[in-house]
Amino acid sequence: DVKVTQSSRYLVKRTGEKVFLECVQDMDHENMFWYRQDPGLGLRLIYFSYDVKMKEKGDIPEGYSVSREKKERFSLILESASTNQTSMYLCASRVPGALYNEQFFGPGTRLTVL
Amino acid sequence: DQQVKQNSPSLSVQEGRISILNCDYTNSMFDYFLWYKKYPAEGPTFLISISSIKDKNEDGRFTVFLNKSAKHLSLHIVPSQPGDSAVYFCAAMGGGSNYKLTFGKGTLLTVNP
Repeated sequence: DVKVTQSSRYLVKRTGEKVFLECVQDMDHENMFWYRQDPGLGLRLIYFSYDVKMKEKGDIPEGYSVSREKKERFSLILESASTNQTSMYLCASRVPGALYNEQFFGPGTRLTVL
Repeated sequence: DQQVKQNSPSLSVQEGRISILNCDYTNSMFDYFLWYKKYPAEGPTFLISISSIKDKNEDGRFTVFLNKSAKHLSLHIVPSQPGDSAVYFCAAMGGGSNYKLTFGKGTLLTVNP
């Protein structure tokens, strides 16, 4: 079974803090993704990485950066957290050419920025 | 511009009856479609998918239908069970990217006992 883990289930930070969200997958997947989920807006792609040290902006990259130094780990960084970044953050991974093209998701991190 | 639309924010059905969740898309380059289910405080889990070369795919109680000319797909759940109560997301792939999934906003399905 594919396992995608995220470092925290719940996180509370203050405005202006630097925030690191970590994601680890154990299936040697090349592709990894960061989404945020907000009520009424669905899942929106922030950044993705198609391989180690490769990254590409998604639909809403402003205010975020990412790091992928090792294949199994993909980090999302909020350089200076703001209240509008309060959200559920979801990490996913995928192997290119998979039978169903599916992405496997972690449990999510509920981030609150005060 | 929203390329994948789920126009019903919520749906309520009785246990044992059919649930039909709908999804429309605008990008004719999308060539693969997926449905995910999400419980509160959990990540989405993959349910079923369909390629644009097919018009139907079935897996147990779940069937996805694709109408390419109408740019419409639907997920049928028969019979519906209380454990199916969750948010269902439609997602599309293609349109120039082999990596990216474009998600709809989701439909909350409630199955009443």
